[in-house]
Amino acid sequence: AQKITQTQPGMFVQEKEAVTLDCTYDTSDPSYGLFWYKQPSSGEMIFLIYQGSYDQQNATEGRYSLNFQKARKSANLVISASQLGDSAMYFCAMREPPSSNTGKLIFGQGTTLQVKP
Amino acid sequence: DAGVIQSPRHEVTEMGQEVTLRCKPISGHDYLFWYRQTMMRGLELLIYFNNNVPIDDSGMPEDRFSAKMPNASFSTLKIQPSEPRDSAVYFCASSLTRNTEAFFGQGTRLTVV
Repeated sequence: AQKITQTQPGMFVQEKEAVTLDCTYDTSDPSYGLFWYKQPSSGEMIFLIYQGSYDQQNATEGRYSLNFQKARKSANLVISASQLGDSAMYFCAMREPPSSNTGKLIFGQGTTLQVKP
Repeated sequence: DAGVIQSPRHEVTEMGQEVTLRCKPISGHDYLFWYRQTMMRGLELLIYFNNNVPIDDSGMPEDRFSAKMPNASFSTLKIQPSEPRDSAVYFCASSLTRNTEAFFGQGTRLTVV
């Protein structure tokens, strides 16, 4: 069964510095999708970035980039030039592969990031 | 598009009462998910639909929980009877295909007293 693990319950970063949030996953299928979401204190879930297992390059979206290491089964989120508004909980998620014909989306436990001024 | 719309945003009810949560997915999205979020258990997938058909309801905690999707633009999650341990934030999300990101509604914060 697919599994997502986020081992950092909480992280601190100084404003304007970069931070890496860890995510490892487990799947036996070669085809899958990985996602990161942000949940600020207001509670909404905001989609940040997507990486497909066959994508040749690491995904980037503005200040967000995904450090995808397929052999290690890791998909770490890198936030560059942290801002106070980045303080939130961050979730890594995986979409079950097409071969399973289900499209199930499962989440890790989340990492709380606090940006210090 | 207005995004995924959930109602109500907040619900406070007494133990034993029936609770119905509502969701309108983004138009054209084939997948609809119901999640429950608590401090202890994080984000749990309760059930999801593909083209209005329930695909996997293995996350539904008990028979007290039921979900329906009578058409492509509406889904409900019902708890009957409700219990204090059902208190949580319930999210609905939809995605275009099985390979794309899911967009979430604002959530319903349920408190059962």
